[in-house]
Amino acid sequence: DAGVTQSPTHLIKTRGQQVTLRCSPKSGHDTVSWYQQALGQGPQFIFQYYEEEERQRGNFPDRFSGHQFPNYSSELNVNALLLGDSALYLCASSLVAGGLYNEQFFGPGTRLTVL
Amino acid sequence: RKEVEQDPGPFNVPEGATVAFNCTYSNSASQSFFWYRQDCRKEPKLLMSVYSSGNEDGRFTAQLNRASQYISLLIRDSKLSDSATYLCVVNTNDMRFGAGTRLTVKP
Repeated sequence: DAGVTQSPTHLIKTRGQQVTLRCSPKSGHDTVSWYQQALGQGPQFIFQYYEEEERQRGNFPDRFSGHQFPNYSSELNVNALLLGDSALYLCASSLVAGGLYNEQFFGPGTRLTVL
Repeated sequence: RKEVEQDPGPFNVPEGATVAFNCTYSNSASQSFFWYRQDCRKEPKLLMSVYSSGNEDGRFTAQLNRASQYISLLIRDSKLSDSATYLCVVNTNDMRFGAGTRLTVKP
């Protein structure tokens, strides 16, 4: 049973560029959440997708956008990259029917460096 | 004030020690609570959920005090393999993570 996978593993971009990160959820999961984790900090919620729609959104600017495909995989897009966007981007999948104590399974993350 | 605040740490303890982590949250409407563990340069993994009645899983005990908006994690008889960062997580429509408390267990 494959867990959550993310690609690429590492990415280096320059300021002003755009980036797309990809996530495949754990088999059987229908919900994908994205997080940004800066060094020494806990993950910060970006947004969550279910049924191909954004269900919840954290305090991130519109430069951060996403998409969920019919096979439940997801993309995170960041436009006009800033130095402060350098972080580990984590994808987590879960099952919406899991309720309040719904475990989220995290992928290994994509480490983005903006120069 | 941060939504989820944890002991800043780091905690350095000998094997066999008992260590306790504390966490407070600001939103009284928070619905569910968790402790996640994150090893260095790895993804977070669920350690345990935290229920109102308190719960135990082997050497780990979690407590929740909704009135005080406080969560704790107790690790007994700590092992070298317990060395990691422990993240307090509060579900308030979405998952809010604390900054984490780093634990190092030494021989």
